[in-house]
This record gives sequence, structure tokens and C-alpha cells, in this order.
Amino acid sequence: AQSVTQPDIHITVSEGASLELRCNYSYGATPYLFWYVQSPGQGLQLLLKYFSGDTLVQGIKGFEAEFKRSQSSFNLRKPSVHWSDAAEYFCAVGATKYGNKLVFGAGTILRVKS
Amino acid sequence: EAQVTQNPRYLITVTGKKLTVTCSQNMNHEYMSWYRQDPGLGLRQIYYSMNVEVTDKGDVPEGYKVSRKEKRNFPLILESPSPNQTSLYFCASSLTGVNEQFFGPGTRLTVL
Repeated sequence: AQSVTQPDIHITVSEGASLELRCNYSYGATPYLFWYVQSPGQGLQLLLKYFSGDTLVQGIKGFEAEFKRSQSSFNLRKPSVHWSDAAEYFCAVGATKYGNKLVFGAGTILRVKS
Repeated sequence: EAQVTQNPRYLITVTGKKLTVTCSQNMNHEYMSWYRQDPGLGLRQIYYSMNVEVTDKGDVPEGYKVSRKEKRNFPLILESPSPNQTSLYFCASSLTGVNEQFFGPGTRLTVL
């Protein structure tokens, strides 16, 4: 079955430190890839997406992600974390070959310590 | 402003009392979907609709119904809610099912 794995349930980083959130997927083809952020009590907001082309994509709020086909990964990065980045982050994958929907990972909760 | 709205935002009900959560989008999207979010499980799709009068089951459809009589509206119906349906529910819309999905603010449902 197609799946999306976010290996880290919780991550704690210091404010100003760099961040990398991992996402791996198992699909037979190159899917569409997304990262969403959910702040406490809020809905989901799209950070960035990858459909094709340059494998390093830039998003909002200073985030970027890199698609690595050989590793079936789409990791999210930020060079310097701010306290306001504390939230839950979801990786999502879509592939028409496997149904007309997005499949979400279980999420990674980011805590930022001052 | 382009948006997806849901109502109510919070709902406490009792087992067996039918309820409807409304969802509306103003982006003229053909695709709409309902998800439930539970800790450690991420978002799981309940039902989706590819267009008016076209709906299909997602991954966890048991105990839910939907309808799509108009393009902008996609209500979620719980005919006989049970405590295991206590969850956070999100409605989303997009151009297609694998495109960027726009989410509503969520409805927190508690079934006693």
C-alpha cells in the first residue's frame, strides 16, 4: 500500500538553530509532494509543493524542501527557526495512479525552546 | 477572500443524535473532501467528491454520509454518532484530488 512516513513524532530545536523534518513515501511513480503546517487550534496551511522541475523548492515563512527521487524523500528545512514556527507539520503525497486524493503522514510536532 | 468555511467550529453531542457539519468553498473548486484528524494518525480521508452528485468513499467512511448537491457545498452527516467519532474534522477543496488542497478551520466534535 502507498504510504507516507514521518519518522519523528516530536522534534525540539533551539530558537535560531536549523531544522530538518523528514518525510519518506512509498509510491511507484514520482508523486506530487506537499508540506502543510498546522498551528495550535488552526487549520492546515500549505508551506510548499513539488510537482516537477527543480528538486529544491522554496516555500513561505523561509522554508524549503528537497525532493530526492533515489531516496523517496521530501525533507523540509529551515536555516534558522523562530519561536513562531512551533506547530505540527504534515507531509502529504498525491499520485493519480493510486487514487484521486492526498495521503498524509502522521505529522511531526515541532517545539522551539528559547 | 478565497476560503473554505465550516460550521459549527465546536460541537458536543450525545450518542445517536444526528448531526450535520456544513462546508462551503468560494473558489469554484470541483474537488472537495472530508478528513478526520486523530493524534498520531495524521489526517485520514472520510469521503470525497469530484463534482456535483459525484461522491466516493475515502479510507474511513463508516458511520458518515455526504452529499454534493451544489458545487460550493459538501456537508458531512453523522446519522447516529458514536464516541469513536470524537475527533477534529476538516473540510478541504481543490481543483483536483492530487492538487493543493485548501482547508477549512476545522470542527472539533465530541460525542458523549
